[in-house]
Amino acid sequence: GENVEQHPSTLSVQEGDSAVIKCTYSDSASNYFPWYKQELGKGPQLIIDIRSNVGEKKDQRIAVTLNKTAKHFSLHITETQPEDSAVYFCAASKGGSYIPTFGRGTSLIVHP
Amino acid sequence: KAGVTQTPRYLIKTRGQQVTLSCSPISGHRSVSWYQQTPGQGLQFLFEYFSETQRNKGNFPGRFSGRQFSNSRSEMNVSTLELGDSALYLCASSWDRGEETQYFGPGTRLLVL
Repeated sequence: GENVEQHPSTLSVQEGDSAVIKCTYSDSASNYFPWYKQELGKGPQLIIDIRSNVGEKKDQRIAVTLNKTAKHFSLHITETQPEDSAVYFCAASKGGSYIPTFGRGTSLIVHP
Repeated sequence: KAGVTQTPRYLIKTRGQQVTLSCSPISGHRSVSWYQQTPGQGLQFLFEYFSETQRNKGNFPGRFSGRQFSNSRSEMNVSTLELGDSALYLCASSWDRGEETQYFGPGTRLLVL
């Protein structure tokens, strides 16, 4: 089955810095890659996603890049703010009837 | 549009008891998946229901079961609770099997004493 590795497990940055979280996947048939943000006491919330026919997608301070050849994708957050502090999960899915496989999560801490 | 709702939000049970958790998906969504989240194991898939049928199942013992009703609402049941069942149980819904984006509820925090 699909295996998704996520790094780092913890990331500490100063407010205003950029943060990068990386994920690799094993199944070349995976074609959909969502990113979720989970704040304390809440369920994961979709923040951005990318499909295999796109190399990069941006939404304000958040961007995701995908390298299908290398089977890795990354989340980039620029100008980090304290409210960005949360656990971030990546996932890979083959779509259709397949359930997404999640990474183990990255705890991002943004220091004011 | 209202999001995914889960009830109850918190539960305390003792070993050997059983528990039933409820999930109401986003209106129009027909697929409901359940996950167990623990600090040590991360997000682990339990099962997925679509049109009242279980279509996918994770690697959990038979004490974990679920069902889906005709209005797409879903319940999961855990019988003979063990201490290790303490976790956040998350429900996620999506439009149908061809729509990959899952939308999560706030979860039910279960503590087994």
